[in-house]
Amino acid sequence: AQSVSQHNHHVILSEAASLELGCNYSYGGTVNLFWYVQYPGQHLQLLLKYFSGDPLVKGIKGFEAEFIKSKFSFNLRKPSVQWSDTAEYFCAVRDGGSQGNLIFGKGTKLSVKP
Amino acid sequence: GAVVSQHPSWVICKSGTSVKIECRSLDFQATTMFWYRQFPKQSLMLMATSNEGSKATYEQGVEKDKFLINHASLTLSTLTVTSAHPEDSSFYICSARDGAETKETQYFGPGTRLLVL
Repeated sequence: AQSVSQHNHHVILSEAASLELGCNYSYGGTVNLFWYVQYPGQHLQLLLKYFSGDPLVKGIKGFEAEFIKSKFSFNLRKPSVQWSDTAEYFCAVRDGGSQGNLIFGKGTKLSVKP
Repeated sequence: GAVVSQHPSWVICKSGTSVKIECRSLDFQATTMFWYRQFPKQSLMLMATSNEGSKATYEQGVEKDKFLINHASLTLSTLTVTSAHPEDSSFYICSARDGAETKETQYFGPGTRLLVL
């Protein structure tokens, strides 16, 4: 069965620090990859997605992620975090092209200290 | 982006009663809708997938007679938790896929928090 691993349960950073959240998946076929963010008290929002093409994907709010097929990874990055980035971040993978279901990682809680 | 709403946002009920949660896609037609359950500090677990006008497909371990899903139109899906028990207390999230998008993305509702006493 597919699985998605997010390495860090809770990350604490100071403002302006750089961020990298790890995500690895276990599926060898074609995958669609997603990062979602859930701000406190709000619903899941799509940050960015990768379907094909350039493996470096840029999303909203200055986030980007890089798909490395050989490492089965899709790490999320941001060069300089802000207090407003405090949220929970979920990596998700979908197989079988656009017909598969999303499989979510357990999430990484990011706390940014002002 | 596309908007998905859920109603109610939270509900408290007595054990043994049934609770219905609505999920609506507000500005697009959702050919497929998903229902997830999220436990504290854990990931979203897919419960079932429903396509408009057909029976839902339930994930292994999810009781279809307990969690009734109806996807009667392209903008509305309902989840009914029948004979709710305290262990059904959870955060239920629906998601909808916009069938018109060439690269389909799932949009999530704000969730419904259910507390069964």
